[in-house]
Amino acid sequence: DQQVKQNSPSLSVQEGRISILNCDYTNSMFDYFLWYKKYPAEGPTFLISISSIKDKNEDGRFTVFLNKSAKHLSLHIVPSQPGDSAVYFCAAEGVGGSGSRLTFGEGTQLTVNP
Amino acid sequence: ETGVTQTPRHLVMGMTNKKSLKCEQHLGHNAMYWYKQSAKKPLELMFVYNFKEQTENNSVPSRFSPECPNSSHLFLHLHTLQPEDSALYLCASSQGATETGELFFGEGSRLTVL
Repeated sequence: DQQVKQNSPSLSVQEGRISILNCDYTNSMFDYFLWYKKYPAEGPTFLISISSIKDKNEDGRFTVFLNKSAKHLSLHIVPSQPGDSAVYFCAAEGVGGSGSRLTFGEGTQLTVNP
Repeated sequence: ETGVTQTPRHLVMGMTNKKSLKCEQHLGHNAMYWYKQSAKKPLELMFVYNFKEQTENNSVPSRFSPECPNSSHLFLHLHTLQPEDSALYLCASSQGATETGELFFGEGSRLTVL
């Protein structure tokens, strides 16, 4: 039973346009969500997070939106740059002391074309 | 030095071999993790250590044996693996396993079992 799903395995956008990566979850006990970025031959690196008490968090070109009623979050990258080409993982963390035991999605390969 | 270092980066082994993966973190964190990443699958949590004590074994077969001698070092001992165990094994650390927060990943050890 996969609790975090990224239904799009890949996404291709033009440089300068918006990239929107989506993530759905099923467990209503998740209360903290993170996005990680992974380049080939490197480990995932933290990108941005959002707590369930918020519906939006912005950091430069990256904005994460959370819709709790729909159990959906999305990552917006504006404007997209070729260096953003990577695999993006959505992750969720639950309440009750589960701490950093994150549940990950399958990842979405973003390709930004010059 | 990078925050989380994994060795070896690549490992090829036969099904009867015994090998070990090593992880070292220089971030002063108290929790360390092993994750498995197979192609087109989410990152799967394998083991969690908090203050050197194993706090989670996510139904991992006994052919994988973790060892955490101190909060900075984590090993994964491998014995009589199967070809389906071929994957990228990622080590991560965090401030504490019961605290909300991000994980810091190593670059991973790419394992191929022949």
